[in-house]
Amino acid sequence: QKEVEQDPGPLSVPEGAIVSLNCTYSNSAFQYFMWYRQYSRKGPELLMYTYSSGNKEDGRFTAQVDKSSKYISLFIRDSQPSDSATYLCAMSARGSYIPTFGRGTSLIVHP
Amino acid sequence: NAGVTQTPKFQVLKTGQSMTLQCAQDMNHNSMYWYRQDPGMGLRLIYYSASEGTTDKGEVPNGYNVSRLNKREFSLRLESAAPSQTSVYFCASSEPAGGAETQYFGPGTRLLVL
Repeated sequence: QKEVEQDPGPLSVPEGAIVSLNCTYSNSAFQYFMWYRQYSRKGPELLMYTYSSGNKEDGRFTAQVDKSSKYISLFIRDSQPSDSATYLCAMSARGSYIPTFGRGTSLIVHP
Repeated sequence: NAGVTQTPKFQVLKTGQSMTLQCAQDMNHNSMYWYRQDPGMGLRLIYYSASEGTTDKGEVPNGYNVSRLNKREFSLRLESAAPSQTSVYFCASSEPAGGAETQYFGPGTRLLVL
């Protein structure tokens, strides 16, 4: 079992839908949780990161961490076709130079 | 401010040939990384450099060597390319942000080994 599990999808939703992307993990030492977005044939770009448990909001994006369940989520409100991309979660322990990535979920938002 | 740049963008090699992938960052980051990304496998760390003058192996280092030339530049060398090294290679740099390793990625190099 990988340390970080992420459903590869694809997840197909209509424009305007609320999207929920999720990752589970097994390492209790993870304290930092990141979400990256990767468009086709491009490098990943950091969307947002959170520390420990709780929520963080940035525009249409909300990151949520539940450390008790070892489960993190990224919610996208009012999804747009331009949100179509692969979303990768990543996590790291305090003081670690190396984040652990999920394999990514492919999201398709159709008009 | 170009961020992380990689050269070349695309390369075709024959089995046994060698090449060096170049990476540079202008964000004054201490840490730099090389990943490969294959369908269904996600990002896999090849080597990383926590600071200038140090390098360490990642998950899949066999067949690769690296050089941290200075704080800005981190190169990846394939001494004798194999078809299994056909992949997309990403360089990244990072600066701890409150402890998190938030990474900034380059645009990638697509490598095809025939």
